[in-house]
Amino acid sequence: DAKTTQPPSMDCAEGRAANLPCNHSTISGNEYVYWYRQIHSQGPQYIIHGLKNNETNEMASLIITEDRKSSTLILPHATLRDTAVYYCIVRPGPTRNAGNMLTFGGGTRLMVKP
Amino acid sequence: ETGVTQSPTHLIKTRGQQVTLRCSSQSGHNTVSWYQQALGQGPQFIFQYYREEENGRGNFPPRFSGLQFPNYSSELNVNALELDDSALYLCASSPRGPAGGRNEQFFGPGTRLTVL
Repeated sequence: DAKTTQPPSMDCAEGRAANLPCNHSTISGNEYVYWYRQIHSQGPQYIIHGLKNNETNEMASLIITEDRKSSTLILPHATLRDTAVYYCIVRPGPTRNAGNMLTFGGGTRLMVKP
Repeated sequence: ETGVTQSPTHLIKTRGQQVTLRCSSQSGHNTVSWYQQALGQGPQFIFQYYREEENGRGNFPPRFSGLQFPNYSSELNVNALELDDSALYLCASSPRGPAGGRNEQFFGPGTRLTVL
């Protein structure tokens, strides 16, 4: 599986954009980039995913570089409730064995401050 | 539409005992995965069930086993508990079969297991 590298922690001021980077230099052609977050004492929550094009939904935007070796999750207007651990995951290509397996790294602990 | 639910929320066992954790998948979801999350670490994949059969397994010993029922709910069983089994156990369901490239997983709140 491709590995991901994320900074262990980041701070962001409330109301400002939070930009969370992720390096995945060994990603292969059929692997997607997924982002999940885990708020304290809860299970992980899906945020967004992409293959090669930039993606946007009601929660966030995902910017993937043209060479696909890195990506950035953007929370456009961070709130205190966005304080969480954010995981960047490269999902294995579809196979019969463990096709849905998510390999979590250490993630980035985002602290949104008033 | 109810989300993924897990029971119990907390559990205390002693070393050597056996434990069963339960998960009800989100309505319409036929694939269930289990993860172990030690304190301060990311979740680690244990195994996945699809159509009542194990369909993928992480690096966990055979004393970790599971079941999936016709209604897609699932159980995680751990035999011969060890102190290192103390963790948050997460269940996740997804709406399609295991080979989908765009499947997102919906996680339950987890069961916190403490082994003394």
